Amino acid sequence: GQSLEQPSEVTAVEGAIVQINCTYQTSGFYGLSWYQQHDGGAPTFLSYNALDGLEETGRFSSFLSRSDSYGYLLLQELQMKDSASYFCAVPLSSGSARQLTFGSGTQLTVLP
Amino acid sequence: GAGVSQTPSNKVTEKGKYVELRCDPISGHTALYWYRQSLGQGPEFLIYFQGTGAADDSGLPNDRFFAVRPEGSVSTLKIQRTERGDSAVYLCASSPTKIAGELFFGEGSRLTVL
Repeated sequence: GQSLEQPSEVTAVEGAIVQINCTYQTSGFYGLSWYQQHDGGAPTFLSYNALDGLEETGRFSSFLSRSDSYGYLLLQELQMKDSASYFCAVPLSSGSARQLTFGSGTQLTVLP
Repeated sequence: GAGVSQTPSNKVTEKGKYVELRCDPISGHTALYWYRQSLGQGPEFLIYFQGTGAADDSGLPNDRFFAVRPEGSVSTLKIQRTERGDSAVYLCASSPTKIAGELFFGEGSRLTVL
């Protein structure tokens, strides 16, 4: 089976940098995804790391270390609109890499 | 439409009733997924379609749950003899590829079983 651990809550101020960690246990690894979800909204895709290293997309970056079974999402120049839940996710261990197992999510609160 | 569309957005029903939830995926997306999300939790996988066939239904909790996608586009999730524990947001997602790194989610159908 698979399990993912991420902090339940993180709080930061506008303009700051915040890092949301995710550790995972899987019987097979096919990549680590990150999703953002505002209250009452749809989860939206942020990033996908299949290989070790840092991927940067604007203010958001995602990092993966396969040897440590660890990744993080880095949010820079925080804005109020970044207040949301953030989920890390890995494909199921079925070998098909088509379905995702999600963590329980990290609720980010950005303060003015 | 431009995104994944789900109807109804809200459904309140009584214990023991039958419910259907509909998903209209992004045009051209061959892969379609159903997830269930309880408050404060991440989405939980239910079933995956590739085309018209259910490629993986291992996440369906029991035989009260069933889903179809007869023409390879719109899908319906059917729940028989609903129970209070079925209350959750049911999310549909679609993808243009077989790799599930990126899914496009709808806003979900919130089901409340009284």
